[in-house]
Amino acid sequence: DAGVIQSPRHEVTEMGQEVTLRCKPISGHNSLFWYRQTMMRGLELLIYFNNNVPIDDSGMPEDRFSAKMPNASFSTLKIQPSEPRDSAVYFCASTFGLAEHTDTQYFGPGTRLTVL
Amino acid sequence: KNQVEQSPQSLIILEGKNCTLQCNYTVSPFSNLRWYKQDTGRGPVSLTIMTFSENTKSNGRYTATLDADTKQSSLHITASQLSDSASYICVVTDSWGKLQFGAGTQVVVTP
Repeated sequence: DAGVIQSPRHEVTEMGQEVTLRCKPISGHNSLFWYRQTMMRGLELLIYFNNNVPIDDSGMPEDRFSAKMPNASFSTLKIQPSEPRDSAVYFCASTFGLAEHTDTQYFGPGTRLTVL
Repeated sequence: KNQVEQSPQSLIILEGKNCTLQCNYTVSPFSNLRWYKQDTGRGPVSLTIMTFSENTKSNGRYTATLDADTKQSSLHITASQLSDSASYICVVTDSWGKLQFGAGTQVVVTP
């Protein structure tokens, strides 16, 4: 398996533009997680899906952020409009079971987002 | 206040030496505790996952311990190698699947 695939790997955009990050989880995994990582705040969970249904979106910063999982093999994280403070590395991870289970989470390589 | 505190924030060790990282948490009710290794510019990689009933778990030269009574965990690196230079993150999950993250410990192994 190729592991968790994220695209793009790098994104530079201007404030106010829409940004869409994409993730393909490992085939057969039922849970998908979107994380954000910055130097100031460390790693944060934004949203987590199980069987394509959002389970916990309490980490989504505000209405400018939205995430979808239309099927088991694809998810998007959208920021509209983007702001400089959204600059971060966004990771997607997938696992077989629920968050409270002990299945290993596999992370993608991340998307480094820079908003000018 | 962060529910997961890691210490030290950073440390430098000589190649071949051992070191221990600490993770104290207040998360309750506890489900599991994970240690991740994150190399610069890459995603975190899972090292160990422990539940309430597990006291120790090893993954090669990495050994994690858990004391659920005192809510403390440690990650011990034996005979460090240059490739161990990374950030080590402790993540605690409660029984409802809520994840709490430590700020990480930055380890630098020098020749």
